Amino acid sequence: AQSVTQPDIHITVSEGASLELRCNYSYGATPYLFWYVQSPGQGLQLLLKYFSGDTLVQGIKGFEAEFKRSQSSFNLRKPSVHWSDAAEYFCAVGAGAGGTSYGKLTFGQGTILTVHP
Amino acid sequence: DVKVTQSSRYLVKRTGEKVFLECVQDMDHENMFWYRQDPGLGLRLIYFSYDVKMKEKGDIPEGYSVSREKKERFSLILESASTNQTSMYLCASRLAGPQETQYFGPGTRLLVL
Repeated sequence: AQSVTQPDIHITVSEGASLELRCNYSYGATPYLFWYVQSPGQGLQLLLKYFSGDTLVQGIKGFEAEFKRSQSSFNLRKPSVHWSDAAEYFCAVGAGAGGTSYGKLTFGQGTILTVHP
Repeated sequence: DVKVTQSSRYLVKRTGEKVFLECVQDMDHENMFWYRQDPGLGLRLIYFSYDVKMKEKGDIPEGYSVSREKKERFSLILESASTNQTSMYLCASRLAGPQETQYFGPGTRLLVL
């Protein structure tokens, strides 16, 4: 069974500082990987996704993530955080190529990001 | 733009009531999903539907049922609401296909008293 772990429940950074949110997954083959963001009281918005190819993927709002197969990780990064980035971030894994899961995703527990001015 | 709407943002119900949560998408998506979101647990899949009238259980289906009579609408039903079903409920939809993205609605925050 697939699973996702986000080791950090809550991270606090200063505005302008760099950010890295960790995500580790467990899946038997090459997974599909996603990062979503949820602002307070809102649904989830897709930041970026990895299916295959280049292991460094660019997303919206200046975010990027790197797929590292050897470490089973898909960490999210941003070089300079803005106050508007304060939100909850979710990593998710889905069945990769050849899977018949109808796009089901397994989500991590989420990481709450607080940004100090 | 893809639009997924949920019938209520906030809902308060009594224990034992039958509760209907409605989700509508306007992009002709084949696949639809219901999740519940609880602090520290992330999102957990309750049920999903891969096409009209088709449904499959997710990871936590107990106490819930679903209905998909039309392609654009996916309903989550709490047959007899209980306090442990107080949660945020999120609906999502996607096109069928291996590399399609799930799009989420704004969520319904349900309080069962």
